[in-house]
Amino acid sequence: GENVEQHPSTLSVQEGDSAVIKCTYSDSASNYFPWYKQELGKRPQLIIDIRSNVGEKKDQRIAVTLNKTAKHFSLHITETQPEDSAVYFCAAIPDTGGFKTIFGAGTRLFVKA
Amino acid sequence: DTGVSQDPRHKITKRGQNVTFRCDPISEHNRLYWYRQTLGQGPEFLTYFQNEAQLEKSRLLSDRFSAERPKGSFSTLEIQRTEQGDSAMYLCASSLSGGNQPQHFGDGTRLSIL
Repeated sequence: GENVEQHPSTLSVQEGDSAVIKCTYSDSASNYFPWYKQELGKRPQLIIDIRSNVGEKKDQRIAVTLNKTAKHFSLHITETQPEDSAVYFCAAIPDTGGFKTIFGAGTRLFVKA
Repeated sequence: DTGVSQDPRHKITKRGQNVTFRCDPISEHNRLYWYRQTLGQGPEFLTYFQNEAQLEKSRLLSDRFSAERPKGSFSTLEIQRTEQGDSAMYLCASSLSGGNQPQHFGDGTRLSIL
């Protein structure tokens, strides 16, 4: 079935460093790729998304890249801050009637001050 | 508008009981999604509504699970004859329609089966 693999499962960086999280998807019909940030006990919050007709998208310190040929996409956070500490989830969604969203297992990011 | 709201926030029940959760989406959103999330995992897709029509159901959704959205506004998710393995966070999300749209999540209902 459809699957999204996310790596690493845990990532620890020093404040000010960059963090990179990578995802690989299996469903070639996927064409929308959102990223969510979830703090402990809170709802997932959309932080950035990318569609299949775009290779890269940037929003301040956050950027996402997409390689449709290789079926992988990545989240890049630059100049990390302690408040970036959270669990990050990638997702892949096909543009078909069901919009069945497949999430990765998550990456727990720790930013050390 | 305060976003997607879910009720109750927590539900503790004994194995074998039935439970029902409610989700109120963002008012202009006509798509509604239910997910289940267990500790250390990403949300797992359960089902999706476009207005009142249930258009997609995951194989995870056994016969004990049923979801409704009778008037295309709020939705309910019922679990009958609950089992230990049903313990999880049940998340609801909503979005606009028209191709893929960002989904906005509620705070979820945490279900604990004793």
